[in-house]
Amino acid sequence: QVHLVQSGAEVKKPGASVRVACQTSGYSFSFYALHWVRQAPGQRLEWMGFINGGSGDPAYSQKFQDRVTFARDTSATTVFMDLSSLKPDDTAFYYCARANYEMAGGFDSWGQGTLVTVSS
Amino acid sequence: QSALTQPASVSGSPGQSITISCTGSSSDIGSFHVVSWYQQDPGKAPKLIIYEGTKRPSWVSSRFSGSKSGNTASLTISGLQADDESDYYCCSFASSNTWIFGGGTKLTVL
Repeated sequence: QVHLVQSGAEVKKPGASVRVACQTSGYSFSFYALHWVRQAPGQRLEWMGFINGGSGDPAYSQKFQDRVTFARDTSATTVFMDLSSLKPDDTAFYYCARANYEMAGGFDSWGQGTLVTVSS
Repeated sequence: QSALTQPASVSGSPGQSITISCTGSSSDIGSFHVVSWYQQDPGKAPKLIIYEGTKRPSWVSSRFSGSKSGNTASLTISGLQADDESDYYCCSFASSNTWIFGGGTKLTVL
């Protein structure tokens, strides 16, 4: 059974950086890409990018590409999202989601979400 | 990159059918057969209900169906039930190896 478990909530000051972890289990880590999606309170889902579990190659949304970095630890089957130069409007739930190539890239499994709060 | 366009809200009575539209462009929905739909309950992670425009995962009721025409994808829910009340999002692959979500639609079951 596929599981994605994310790290706990974070509170950061403007200008700081945050790292969110997504630990995966129950499938072959290198065969799938992991995407990151965020959702500000009461707002829509927003795609941030993805990292290929096998090659480690990332792809970033143009909106975040100057501030976000994805990484992976294959031995721990964990992916990480680093977001820098935080602003108050980065306050959001951040989700990791697995893209299933057998479902044309549909995001079939999601983490529980990590709330990042940016406040002075 | 702006969001795909969805109606902010739709409503229907139990037993009725509703359709939620998702309009994009020739750079996303119109060019790729990679449209998915998600159901999101308050405080929960989204759940995949339609992929590749028309296909249902095994865990999803046959009351949910998807379609696509040109630059617009649609989600239809038939035999509406109280627990269908939720937020629904479309998502499409777009050019340059990116994905884009819709603005979301709140479904109210009257």
